[in-house]
Amino acid sequence: QSALTQPASVSGSPGQSITFSCTGTSSDVGTYDLVSWYQQHPGKPPKLVIYEVTKRPSGVSDRFSGSRSGNTASLTLSGLQAEDEADYYCCSYAGSRNLVFGGGTRLTVL
Amino acid sequence: QVQLVQSGAEVKKPGASVKVSCKASGYSFTSYGISWVRQAPGQGLEWMGWISPYNDDTRHAQNFQGRVTMTTDTSTTTAYMELRGLTSDDTAVYYCARDADSGWYSKAYWGQGTLVTVSS
Repeated sequence: QSALTQPASVSGSPGQSITFSCTGTSSDVGTYDLVSWYQQHPGKPPKLVIYEVTKRPSGVSDRFSGSRSGNTASLTLSGLQAEDEADYYCCSYAGSRNLVFGGGTRLTVL
Repeated sequence: QVQLVQSGAEVKKPGASVKVSCKASGYSFTSYGISWVRQAPGQGLEWMGWISPYNDDTRHAQNFQGRVTMTTDTSTTTAYMELRGLTSDDTAVYYCARDADSGWYSKAYWGQGTLVTVSS
């Protein structure tokens, strides 16, 4: 199972909006409404911020939103803050009882 | 509150096995599955597999088929992951993670991680 493709890094200034992309195939992202996104700060475990493509867990800021077009899922983070600086990972169901993660994108807040 | 507390760091020699534990509390242990996810130094997340404490149903990532064994002990609400035939490529932080309410595809709660170092 190949990892989903994410850009290695993105950057933005406070107050801006940033979009993270996650490209898979018709065997995973493109077929199943089962894409999740995780935020991970250095030395910490990941935190779920989006599940089932667009849904936000209770307690997660409404600055996070998710979407999908074809084989690419996206996470948008609006009103960028210094504390948002972290790594962001997508994850998708890939059929045959498998999950696959993306390689992660490092967000730098300028 | 939901907590997953993992066992401490391990140092193993190549060819050895390691068994990591994950003690769950704050919820009904048999109502949610547990996944194991690892992260090599400076690298991304890699899903290893999933187990249901309810019926011991398991799902394995292809990369780990035949080399990983996941088990649970409902009497102690603890999940275990054993990885055999260790190489330096297995040096990583290993996480256990509990399913979200929405299903096993999302992980709502994570352990603190266990660093496994493989070195001769």
